[in-house]
Amino acid sequence: QITLKESGPTLVKPTQTLTLTCTFSGFSLSTSGVGVGWIRQPPGKALEWLALIYWNDGKRYSPSLKSRLTIPNDSSKNQVVLTMTNMDPVDTATYYCVHNYYSSSWGDYFDYWGQGTLVTVSS
Amino acid sequence: SYELTQPPSVSVSPGQTARITCSGDALPKQYGHWYQQKPGQAPVLLLYKDSERPSGIPERFSGSTSGTTVTLTISGVQAEDEADYYCQSADSSGTYVVFGGGTKLTVL
Repeated sequence: QITLKESGPTLVKPTQTLTLTCTFSGFSLSTSGVGVGWIRQPPGKALEWLALIYWNDGKRYSPSLKSRLTIPNDSSKNQVVLTMTNMDPVDTATYYCVHNYYSSSWGDYFDYWGQGTLVTVSS
Repeated sequence: SYELTQPPSVSVSPGQTARITCSGDALPKQYGHWYQQKPGQAPVLLLYKDSERPSGIPERFSGSTSGTTVTLTISGVQAEDEADYYCQSADSSGTYVVFGGGTKLTVL
């Protein structure tokens, strides 16, 4: 049974760095084709893809946010960390961690989602 | 940047068929995937690779593709299908993930 859970601060101040942790179980990030991703959703708005890390340590970032996002190399066996620098009130959103099954044939899609964590950016 | 375009809203009466479209220039090259999101809940994968249903997804949900458009069809719409629906795909290089703007399905 695959589960994912996001954890991190619920409130951050503008200009601060957000660090979120995804703790997962039921799969291994070492298995070929497997990835873990981050997706966010501002209140009342659409989903926005942020980042992905793959079984082969490959990483992809949203081009519009690439300069602010990092998935560190030192994530543990069952955790993936996402950092986002220079937070702004427009970054207020629910942040989701997702399981991804990737193939060059079909690309990325997200078959398991965490419950999401609401992060508010305010002074 | 690459975009996927969905209608903001679709309304249908119970028992009727709802069709939600998603348009994007790269869709002839890239698969489309669909998610359902009910209020206060995380999205759920509804269809992948244009038309494949994960286990547990009712058969009334189906998908098709034609040119630059993928379509989610809900046959025999039920009240419980009222939700937001998002398409997802990739840019033409397959490098970046993209979501559509979402469609709110209202069951009249």
